[in-house]
Amino acid sequence: GAVVSQHPSRVICKSGTSVKIECRSLDFQATTMFWYRQFPKQSLMLMATSNEGSKATYEQGVEKDKFLINHASLTLSTLTVTSAHPEDSSFYICSAPANPNADEQFFGPGTRLTVL
Amino acid sequence: GENVEQHPSTLSVQEGDSAVIKCTYSDSASNYFPWYKQELGKRPQLIIDIRSNVGEKKDQRIAVTLNKTAKHFSLHITETQPEDSAVYFCAARALKLTFGQGTILTVHP
Repeated sequence: GAVVSQHPSRVICKSGTSVKIECRSLDFQATTMFWYRQFPKQSLMLMATSNEGSKATYEQGVEKDKFLINHASLTLSTLTVTSAHPEDSSFYICSAPANPNADEQFFGPGTRLTVL
Repeated sequence: GENVEQHPSTLSVQEGDSAVIKCTYSDSASNYFPWYKQELGKRPQLIIDIRSNVGEKKDQRIAVTLNKTAKHFSLHITETQPEDSAVYFCAARALKLTFGQGTILTVHP
């Protein structure tokens, strides 16, 4: 299957700082990538859909100015959590379909963000 | 938007028994229904999926059934093993993937 990587796997930052998380498709091109957030013992919640070469589509209740998404190439999408606060501490996971018509999504390994 | 309900939230079985997890969805346009297994701190792993033109699919010990009329689908695991212990999520997709709340499955040796 297709491989999606994320970096970093874990990050700890101070409140008020910004953190960038990278999501890469290693062996395929992804015109669309998805960003999810998962709080402890909860389900995955879609935050936004990242579209290569255009603006991301954000889900209701997700602040686009706080969670900046850039999808500058067909293999890389980045999520920047700006002015992070402790309530942003979560597991962030990206995913991508192997091709635009595919049903199956391939998930990255996730990034554990802890904001002190 | 789509709403996916999953039950039970926890399920405890003895090794060798069967486990069944059920989900309902709200959007009749949903046409793809994957099931994921997630271990602590890891990414979700696709274990089986079904499309709306199929009523049942089986892969060794795992099977999924879909009732489009009733808008529900179920995961069946037979001959459970301790290594099946994990959190299982159902999902439904119309335009985007919506996950159920998850089921913590514990298989006791």
